Amino acid sequence: DGGITQSPKYLFRKEGQNVTLSCEQNLNHDAMYWYRQDPGQGLRLIYYSQIVNDFQKGDIAEGYSVSREKKESFPLTVTSAQKNPTAFYLCASSSGENRYEQYFGPGTRLTVT
Amino acid sequence: AQSVTQLGSHVSVSEGALVLLRCNYSSSVPPYLFWYVQYPNQGLQLLLKYTSAATLVKGINGFEAEFKKSETSFHLTKPSAHMSDAAEYFCALNTNAGKSTFGDGTTLTVKP
Repeated sequence: DGGITQSPKYLFRKEGQNVTLSCEQNLNHDAMYWYRQDPGQGLRLIYYSQIVNDFQKGDIAEGYSVSREKKESFPLTVTSAQKNPTAFYLCASSSGENRYEQYFGPGTRLTVT
Repeated sequence: AQSVTQLGSHVSVSEGALVLLRCNYSSSVPPYLFWYVQYPNQGLQLLLKYTSAATLVKGINGFEAEFKKSETSFHLTKPSAHMSDAAEYFCALNTNAGKSTFGDGTTLTVKP
């Protein structure tokens, strides 16, 4: 089955540590996105990538970094510079033909203490 | 700048009653509009989408939405609520592929 996988589902880290969230898709989609979701708020765009080896900052990129070395993969690193990293993180992708419609992964809940 | 406003962060209906979730948007160019549903600790699932074809859009699970340009609205409706409809619903707008704007979400509660 085609889809987007995110791992792990739950992640716990100590403050001051960097952590990398995985996102893999087998939909052959060109574009991939990372969103952050906080209670009572909509999704906020962190980074997005429309082609391999290229990515752009979204609305809240500070304290995060990404790479896009393969079409299928778009890992997100939450660095120690992110002041409030505890949140639910969602990865999404879209195809070139239907680029306005995004498909979402199941999410990773990150808790930093 | 584009924006999405969902009126009412919480909506409660009885099972079998009409569901109406409100979404208003602001965009300087013709928008593509979407409704997504999210169950606890899960990703978003597309319910329906408006892409400048028919203004009345039918989606999955009996939901539909009507695009009204004059009112800049895209409200989501379902004639008869089911317990399984309890979830959070997000309205989203996209005018430039790669940057969707989401509303803050509406939590739907269905009472037996």
